[in-house]
Amino acid sequence: KAGVTQTPRYLIKTRGQQVTLSCSPISGHRSVSWYQQTPGQGLQFLFEYFSETQRNKGNFPGRFSGRQFSNSRSEMNVSTLELGDSALYLCASSLPLSGVATMNTEAFFGQGTRLTVV
Amino acid sequence: GQNIDQPTEMTATEGAIVQINCTYQTSGFNGLFWYQQHAGEAPTFLSYNVLDGLEEKGRFSSFLSRSKGYSYLLLKELQMKDSASYLCAVRDRNAGNMLTFGGGTRLMVKP
Repeated sequence: KAGVTQTPRYLIKTRGQQVTLSCSPISGHRSVSWYQQTPGQGLQFLFEYFSETQRNKGNFPGRFSGRQFSNSRSEMNVSTLELGDSALYLCASSLPLSGVATMNTEAFFGQGTRLTVV
Repeated sequence: GQNIDQPTEMTATEGAIVQINCTYQTSGFNGLFWYQQHAGEAPTFLSYNVLDGLEEKGRFSSFLSRSKGYSYLLLKELQMKDSASYLCAVRDRNAGNMLTFGGGTRLMVKP
């Protein structure tokens, strides 16, 4: 079955602009998480969506937002871009998890969107 | 919150064995994952531990001790293609089962 698809793969934006990134999860996966990866900070959790609702949120400013559609596809938006927003943005999908984990419910990652802010 | 620590870099020789350690602090441990990430690529799943003990998968094994907040990933018969970053990640049921990653360990395998 198809993996997690992220578009676009590469993006160059100017400071102050806004950007929207897209993620299509694996068919049947309803949980979608977004991460920012930079050389200095590693993988930082942005937010998680499940059934069109934000279930978890990391410590990022309000300029970072997201949403999930009824088909589980997700988008994230960054407004008023700053140079420090340059990073690889990764989306991961997984089966929904509740209660005690009794099975492997690993997250499957997309190839990411490499955002460069100039 | 969570604290996940792993060494930043390690170097090993082709054919050898290497152990990458991960320590964590979490209030509601609900599983630990290891991922491999080659430069410029997406992380890929390697192993999962939720109960204490060793999980073996071919050349890779992962160990967990929940009482010590400790895990390790063991790579045997190292190959050059094993040069990559290895990410430890922990699920916390008290944080909505959010997956939090450590900073990753960059492993360099030398001939």
